[in-house]
Amino acid sequence: SQQGEEDPQALSIQEGENATMNCSYKTSINNLQWYRQNSGRGLVHLILIRSNEREKHSGRLRVTLDTSKKSSSLLITASRAADTASYFCATMGGSNYKLTFGKGTLLTVNP
Amino acid sequence: NAGVTQTPKFQVLKTGQSMTLQCAQDMNHEYMSWYRQDPGMGLRLIHYSVGAGITDQGEVPNGYNVSRSTTEDFPLRLLSAAPSQTSVYFCASSLEHRLGGYGYTFGSGTRLTVV
Repeated sequence: SQQGEEDPQALSIQEGENATMNCSYKTSINNLQWYRQNSGRGLVHLILIRSNEREKHSGRLRVTLDTSKKSSSLLITASRAADTASYFCATMGGSNYKLTFGKGTLLTVNP
Repeated sequence: NAGVTQTPKFQVLKTGQSMTLQCAQDMNHEYMSWYRQDPGMGLRLIHYSVGAGITDQGEVPNGYNVSRSTTEDFPLRLLSAAPSQTSVYFCASSLEHRLGGYGYTFGSGTRLTVV
């Protein structure tokens, strides 16, 4: 069963704008990860945030985690057309170490 | 090139046929797993392995077998293909699993069609 659920399902923005995607989950986690998938390709790991962390940055990416609300957000600043892809959150359970994926957010960045 | 290699990239099977999807990694990763991706369903875990000789079931294991005789290889076997197994299959690996602190490296996928 899906643990993480991304919101929105689809997002369309203009180049240069910021993109924010949200992820909610149901049970306790060890860590939460974000992945990108370009059409027809494999997934690429973007960033991992542990359950005892609240915020993490990597280049133009900013991830927050609120374990009390069981939610995370991924912010991509100054979006580029090359950021067009599907973005997935994935949670690793507190006890079983299985990585469970949500259904993803399709981000379209228009030039 | 370091990474996860999946073969074949495309495959068409007839219902009832069997086949093996290959997955190999050269990063000395302890943890390996198989996912299937279907439209609107995200990725679902089929089987995983936490080391050579150790495998376990994921969310959707029925109709699939795995084995892990070496650290590098983790083949997925379809015993008797069914149209419901039409999907894109991804193999992924991670340095280790106990501390749960590493991201996964994914292969490029195998697109399987069962007719």
